[in-house]
Amino acid sequence: SQQGEEDPQALSIQEGENATMNCSYKTSINNLQWYRQNSGRGLVHLILIRSNEREKHSGRLRVTLDTSKKSSSLLITASRAADTASYFCATGAQWGYALNFGKGTSLLVTP
Amino acid sequence: EAQVTQNPRYLITVTGKKLTVTCSQNMNHEYMSWYRQDPGLGLRQIYYSMNVEVTDKGDVPEGYKVSRKEKRNFPLILESPSPNQTSLYFCASRPGGENEQFFGPGTRLTVL
Repeated sequence: SQQGEEDPQALSIQEGENATMNCSYKTSINNLQWYRQNSGRGLVHLILIRSNEREKHSGRLRVTLDTSKKSSSLLITASRAADTASYFCATGAQWGYALNFGKGTSLLVTP
Repeated sequence: EAQVTQNPRYLITVTGKKLTVTCSQNMNHEYMSWYRQDPGLGLRQIYYSMNVEVTDKGDVPEGYKVSRKEKRNFPLILESPSPNQTSLYFCASRPGGENEQFFGPGTRLTVL
């Protein structure tokens, strides 16, 4: 079942600006992951944050996790046109295998 | 190169004509999954497999079959495709435990 829900559905910014996307989920999780999808192509893993972690960095990406609020955010700093893509959060269930994806945030970065 | 491959990448077929979409991974991953992606609905899991001969239903298994006879392969079978199965399909794999999932390039299926 789909659990993660990204917000906003669409985001348009200019190069150099920061982009923030949020993900909310409903039940307890083991981990939360963020993926990027360029138009119609396969998803690419960006970052994984475990339920006992609060913040994680990878290059220009910063992910936070607040398990008390059941929410996560993905910050992309100094955005580039190449960051234009859809971004999905996926939650790893506490029990079982399932990795549940949200519907995604569509990010447009204009030069 | 570590990858997940799917074939075919594009397929147009007619209602009721059985088809198979193949998926293969070369990373010795235990877990494999099939997803479909539809506008406004995001990714929904069809079936998954935790190892050879171990499969289970995801959220939208109706109209699909899978098998896992070898660790590297996880074909998706549509015995009698219908137009509502027109979609973009992704195969994915990952090692056991809390790990990233690797996705194939996708198969765009149109059922007329």
